[in-house]
Amino acid sequence: DQQVKQNSPSLSVQEGRISILNCDYTNSMFDYFLWYKKYPAEGPTFLISISSIKDKNEDGRFTVFLNKSAKHLSLHIVPSQPGDSAVYFCAASSTSGGGADGLTFGKGTHLIIQP
Amino acid sequence: KAGVTQTPRYLIKTRGQQVTLSCSPISGHRSVSWYQQTPGQGLQFLFEYFSETQRNKGNFPGRFSGRQFSNSRSEMNVSTLELGDSALYLCASSLTGLTEAFFGQGTRLTVV
Repeated sequence: DQQVKQNSPSLSVQEGRISILNCDYTNSMFDYFLWYKKYPAEGPTFLISISSIKDKNEDGRFTVFLNKSAKHLSLHIVPSQPGDSAVYFCAASSTSGGGADGLTFGKGTHLIIQP
Repeated sequence: KAGVTQTPRYLIKTRGQQVTLSCSPISGHRSVSWYQQTPGQGLQFLFEYFSETQRNKGNFPGRFSGRQFSNSRSEMNVSTLELGDSALYLCASSLTGLTEAFFGQGTRLTVV
């Protein structure tokens, strides 16, 4: 049973426009969410995180939105740049486990920025 | 500040052999987690260590084990390798496990 779902395997966006990546989760115990960017044969790179006590967190071109009632989060990248082309993973964890439970990842969305 | 270092980067082993992978976390980080990435299953949690204690383990057979040393460095061991163990193994470190985790570049294990 997939607890974190990224329903779009790929997304193509024109350079300079907004990229919106979506993620849904089913486990109500999840209260900490993260986005990672990954290139082939490399480890994921941390981008941005959000705690369930917030509904928005911004860091430069990256903004994450959390809708707890819908169990949905999204990552907005504005403006999109060619270097943003990569696979983006949504991850979730439950802090009630004291950090011991690890991260549950979605399957990823391959973002392609078109020049 | 040095990042998470995993060694070796690439490894080829034969079925039935065992393998040990190493991970050096970011200085000051006490939580180390291990993940397996395969094309079919994606990124899956193996186990987490904090202050030399395994706090949790994912849904993997007992052939997968690990340990953490007093300097927070961690090793992961897989015994009696199977073809299906071919994967990218990733280590992540975090201050306490309750904050963002930073990943190493991974060890690509191929079992032939």
